[in-house]
Amino acid sequence: QKEVEQDPGPLSVPEGAIVSLNCTYSNSAFQYFMWYRQYSRKGPELLMYTYSSGNKEDGRFTAQVDKSSKYISLFIRDSQPSDSATYLCAMLSNQGGKLIFGQGTELSVKP
Amino acid sequence: NAGVTQTPKFRILKIGQSMTLQCTQDMNHNYMYWYRQDPGMGLKLIYYSVGAGITDKGEVPNGYNVSRSTTEDFPLRLELAAPSQTSVYFCASRTGTAGSGANVLTFGAGSRLTVL
Repeated sequence: QKEVEQDPGPLSVPEGAIVSLNCTYSNSAFQYFMWYRQYSRKGPELLMYTYSSGNKEDGRFTAQVDKSSKYISLFIRDSQPSDSATYLCAMLSNQGGKLIFGQGTELSVKP
Repeated sequence: NAGVTQTPKFRILKIGQSMTLQCTQDMNHNYMYWYRQDPGMGLKLIYYSVGAGITDKGEVPNGYNVSRSTTEDFPLRLELAAPSQTSVYFCASRTGTAGSGANVLTFGAGSRLTVL
């Protein structure tokens, strides 16, 4: 079983839609959760970082963590064509520093 | 302040050749990581290091070796290159010390490797 599972998509939505991206994990040692955005042929860039269960909002982006279910989500409101990218969840263990990424979800927002 | 520097940016290898991907960071970060990314896929952890002299295997370590003799450098060695190692390789680092940015990764620009 992979430590982090993410639906690879691809996901195609119309402009203005609400997008929901999700990851599940199996390792209880993961305590820090991140979402990265990666444009084609570029390196990943940090979008959201959370530690505790609950919601964290930043503009049109909301990150949600449910540690009891080992499930994290990223919501994008009022999606824009410029949001078209691959979104990767990432999780950091509090034991030893292992930082694992999900498979990435390719998102396309159509005008 | 250059951040994380990877060399080379591109390389073509023949099957069975060996090479080293270089990674240097000038931010005095404790933690360093090597990932590979195949087309349309996420990043898979190859090896990581929590400090000079300490390395550990990630998800896909077979066919690779690393060393961490200094805080700044974390080279990745490919022995006996195989077509399955064709990928984009990313080096990343983070400070790991207390503070809001402790767990935020700084990535290098990537090294695109093709094995023919």
